[in-house]
Amino acid sequence: KNQVEQSPQSLIILEGKNCTLQCNYTVSPFSNLRWYKQDTGRGPVSLTIMTFSENTKSNGRYTATLDADTKQSSLHITASQLSDSASYICVVSAGNYGQNFVFGPGTRLSVLP
Amino acid sequence: EAGVTQFPSHSVIEKGQTVTLRCDPISGHDNLYWYRRVMGKEIKFLLHFVKESKQDESGMPNNRFLAERTGGTYSTLKVQPAELEDSGVYFCASSKRDLLGTDTQYFGPGTRLTVL
Repeated sequence: KNQVEQSPQSLIILEGKNCTLQCNYTVSPFSNLRWYKQDTGRGPVSLTIMTFSENTKSNGRYTATLDADTKQSSLHITASQLSDSASYICVVSAGNYGQNFVFGPGTRLSVLP
Repeated sequence: EAGVTQFPSHSVIEKGQTVTLRCDPISGHDNLYWYRRVMGKEIKFLLHFVKESKQDESGMPNNRFLAERTGGTYSTLKVQPAELEDSGVYFCASSKRDLLGTDTQYFGPGTRLTVL
């Protein structure tokens, strides 16, 4: 069964600190992995997209890693800001054309002043 | 450039009634996706249009759900008749045509549907 798990379920950090969110997946055949940021009451916003051959990808203070062998990904946030408070969702695309999207439950991040 | 828009933002209906959700994708985006999140669960894929054609509707829960995309522009998702378990947030997303399957999807704000 295609599944995406994320940890922790929620996380509280102080402004300026770094944090790392985890994503484990059992999706086959793997096409690509995406990280989204979702603010309360809004739709998800794409942060990174990685294919099988990519190990790391950055988008500003966000850096995603992918280990296709262990089927794990992480999202590292550097120098957190209050505006980083949101849910972070890992999505794995399966299928030959990457059109079967499996969403994780998300990690709820709260950044406190 | 306008983003993906969805209408209405909220809808409250009674069980057995019909509701139609609308999504206007970003202009020029061939791909249009519907997703939904029911209470306490992760977002689930419903279906995918390429222009006016249904590319994949494997996520549609049952035949009470009907999606259309007239002329390859806006899309509608009709639920008829609505059941209590249909309550949730329905998201629409669009992307440019990308044969590699790595296109960035732009999500709308969602429609919150409550079935009483």
